[in-house]
Amino acid sequence: QVQLQESGPGLVKPSQTLSLTCTVSGGSISSGSYWWTWIRQPAGKGLEWIGRIYTSGTTNYNPSLKSRVTISVDTSKNQFSLKLSSVTAADTAVYYCARDRGVGHYYFDYWGQGTLVTVSS
Amino acid sequence: DIVMTQSPDSLAVSLGERATINCKSSLSVLYSSDNKNYLAWYQQKPGQPPKLLIYWASTRASGVPDRFSGSGSGTEFTLTISSLQAEDVAVYYCQQCYSTPLTFGGGTKVEIK
Repeated sequence: QVQLQESGPGLVKPSQTLSLTCTVSGGSISSGSYWWTWIRQPAGKGLEWIGRIYTSGTTNYNPSLKSRVTISVDTSKNQFSLKLSSVTAADTAVYYCARDRGVGHYYFDYWGQGTLVTVSS
Repeated sequence: DIVMTQSPDSLAVSLGERATINCKSSLSVLYSSDNKNYLAWYQQKPGQPPKLLIYWASTRASGVPDRFSGSGSGTEFTLTISSLQAEDVAVYYCQQCYSTPLTFGGGTKVEIK
């Protein structure tokens, strides 16, 4: 059973960089044709796809965030990471990591529990 | 971007009755090469991540009760809960899996009447 767990600071100051890591267990991040994804959800609101990474290192980002987002993967640690720069209060949200089933699918079958990140001074 | 529009925003249904949620996409999500609709449905309970219910518009994910069903094609889709149970109280989201950026509907909150 694949499990994902987000980790990182829960509080980030405005203009700084938000950094989160997702640790994958129960399977190798390199196996299969999966994309590893970040999604966020402001309190009481809907879901926003941030971007994804393939284990080859290929990335796709949401154009609305592309200038500020970097997603990377560390296959040796079975982890992938999110960096979001120049954060504002609008970036306050629960951040989820998830597995995208990949070609022919592109839906999310495994999710982390989510981590709340608050942007405040 | 493909815009996903759900209706209604919320609905209250009696236990054992049918709940129907609609989802419209701004572009067709039917992929001609495999004749599959790239549309998924999720259930989110308070304090939990979304849970995959349906993919390819009508295929139930593993372990999902058969009271949940999906239908539709092209740009119009429906999630039906045939006999609402107390544990089905949640917010339901549709998601287009057709093109990036992957996008979600705004959600439909289902409550007990």
